[in-house]
Amino acid sequence: KAGVTQTPRYLIKTRGQQVTLSCSPISGHRSVSWYQQTPGQGLQFLFEYFSETQRNKGNFPGRFSGRQFSNSRSEMNVSTLELGDSALYLCASSLRAGGRYTQETQYFGPGTRLLVL
Amino acid sequence: GQQLNQSPQSMFIQEGEDVSMNCTSSSIFNTWLWYKQDPGEGPVLLIALYKAGELTSNGRLTAQFGITRKDSFLNISASIPSDVGIYFCAGMNRDDKIIFGKGTRLHILP
Repeated sequence: KAGVTQTPRYLIKTRGQQVTLSCSPISGHRSVSWYQQTPGQGLQFLFEYFSETQRNKGNFPGRFSGRQFSNSRSEMNVSTLELGDSALYLCASSLRAGGRYTQETQYFGPGTRLLVL
Repeated sequence: GQQLNQSPQSMFIQEGEDVSMNCTSSSIFNTWLWYKQDPGEGPVLLIALYKAGELTSNGRLTAQFGITRKDSFLNISASIPSDVGIYFCAGMNRDDKIIFGKGTRLHILP
């Protein structure tokens, strides 16, 4: 069974640009969550989508947005990039959605490493 | 906002030693979770705790949900080389918001 795949794996952008990251969940998983990981702030929850609807959201500015398609694939978009957006962006898919159920059945992808210059 | 203080930040131990790490917060959580992250990979859930005072084991790993619901610890017994990595705690509140600690980096000396 294929795992969670994220594309691209590495990305370099400049300040002010926008970026779209893609995540393909494990087959049959309908919940996709996104996380940002930086050395300074650690791992932070961005948002979770289930059946094309955002069901939970972390404390990030509106420049961070996402969406989920009918095949459960998800994209995350960051507009007007800032230097501080440089991070590893992790996507995770889960079979069930809802707090502990998401975490219990969640599998992470390898991440997209974004560098903003 | 809610924060988790995870300690220690890093540990250097000999193979075979026991390891202990913990997370504390000024906030109450309904769920405590412990993850391990290997280089170049995403975190993997090790143990989930749902009740205050709960003690749960997963092989050589044991974790406890503190009585006050504001802390949790993870012990690893008889460490082996593959235990190397970063361990994260996470707390989840009743609104399903998850907060992560900054991680404990475990190094095992040859």
